[in-house]
Amino acid sequence: DADVTQTPRNRITKTGKRIMLECSQTKGHDRMYWYRQDPGLGLRLIYYSFDVKDINKGEISDGYSVSRQAQAKFSLSLESAIPNQTALYFCATNPGTGFPDTQYFGPGTRLTVL
Amino acid sequence: KQEVTQIPAALSVPEGENLVLNCSFTDSAIYNLQWFRQDPGKGLTSLLLIQSSQREQTSGRLNASLDKSSGRSTLYIAASQPGDSATYLCAARGSTDKLIFGTGTRLQVFP
Repeated sequence: DADVTQTPRNRITKTGKRIMLECSQTKGHDRMYWYRQDPGLGLRLIYYSFDVKDINKGEISDGYSVSRQAQAKFSLSLESAIPNQTALYFCATNPGTGFPDTQYFGPGTRLTVL
Repeated sequence: KQEVTQIPAALSVPEGENLVLNCSFTDSAIYNLQWFRQDPGKGLTSLLLIQSSQREQTSGRLNASLDKSSGRSTLYIAASQPGDSATYLCAARGSTDKLIFGTGTRLQVFP
């Protein structure tokens, strides 16, 4: 089984709809991240969380919100989706400082906002 | 603000060639630098991680080097194979503890 899973894998929605993307991990990592990937722009950080009580904005948090329901679960919400939020979204985990610092990514969610 | 650049943006080579992918970063105060592979429509897979105190890391046919003073890292792929075709991304982790990604090099290795 995959260590970092994302649901749904693909989603088409309409402008103005609320949508939630979910991420679960079995790695036992405290740190979790949400990124979006756009052609030619690389990956950009939306939100990150270093533990259940810690939520931080990344470089492009406007229009998004997150919830860290448990160590293993980190959800990303688009309250009112707009077409320029069409992108590939990735969740990632990291064990934190003091450990091998590798980032582990989920398979991604392809979101299309019409 | 850290900026990470990868050159070239795309590369097409015949099978068997040794190749070098380049990554440069503007702020040398990095904690580590990571190289990832991304297949089309898929997530990122970590290939190599170099801590700031290290000069290079090796895994199989892959070797990554780090020169903090010049703000550069290179990923060397020996004896390239068609299965190496993918996009390769580098990312620098700095004092803010966040990864800053380059835009990637799209590699195609043809038989």
